[in-house]
Amino acid sequence: AQSVTQLGSHVSVSEGALVLLRCNYSSSVPPYLFWYVQYPNQGLQLLLKYTTGATLVKGINGFEAEFKKSETSFHLTKPSAHMSDAAEYFCAVSVYFGNEKLTFGTGTRLTIIP
Amino acid sequence: DSGVTQTPKHLITATGQRVTLRCSPRSGDLSVYWYQQSLDQGLQFLIQYYNGEERAKGNILERFSAQQFPDLHSELNLSSLELGDSALYFCASSVEGAGANVLTFGAGSRLTVL
Repeated sequence: AQSVTQLGSHVSVSEGALVLLRCNYSSSVPPYLFWYVQYPNQGLQLLLKYTTGATLVKGINGFEAEFKKSETSFHLTKPSAHMSDAAEYFCAVSVYFGNEKLTFGTGTRLTIIP
Repeated sequence: DSGVTQTPKHLITATGQRVTLRCSPRSGDLSVYWYQQSLDQGLQFLIQYYNGEERAKGNILERFSAQQFPDLHSELNLSSLELGDSALYFCASSVEGAGANVLTFGAGSRLTVL
């Protein structure tokens, strides 16, 4: 079974600073990897996903993530944090087409310091 | 608006009671997923339906049940409610199974059991 581990349940960065949210996955077969964001009192929405091909994936709102098979990682980054980035971020994994569930990490709450 | 509609948005009830949460998937999506989000358990996959049939089961209690109707809307029934069932219940939909497909989430139904 696949799983994800998000390192750091809370991360604080200053406005304009680099955002780095860490995610490591475990899967016996090539994974599909996702980052979702949850703003207060809202559902989850997709930031970006990796399926196959280019390992550097660009998403919405200036976020990107790099799939590193050797490190089993899929860390999320953004060069310059904005106040509107404050939210909870979830890394998620699924495998092969037809797999019936998406497994989420425990989430990282990102706080932006003015 | 994600296109996934969940009702009710908020629900307060007492222990021992039964409630029904409703979900209308995004137009064209055949798969419906139910997730439970709580502070101590994070996002837990409960169950998935595809075109009216159950396709995957996660950490769903025996007191909980779900179904997907011919018009593809789904209902999650929670019975003999306990305090620990208080949580945010999300419905998500996708065209097919999770795999590489993106799940679109509703805004959630917040259940409070007193």
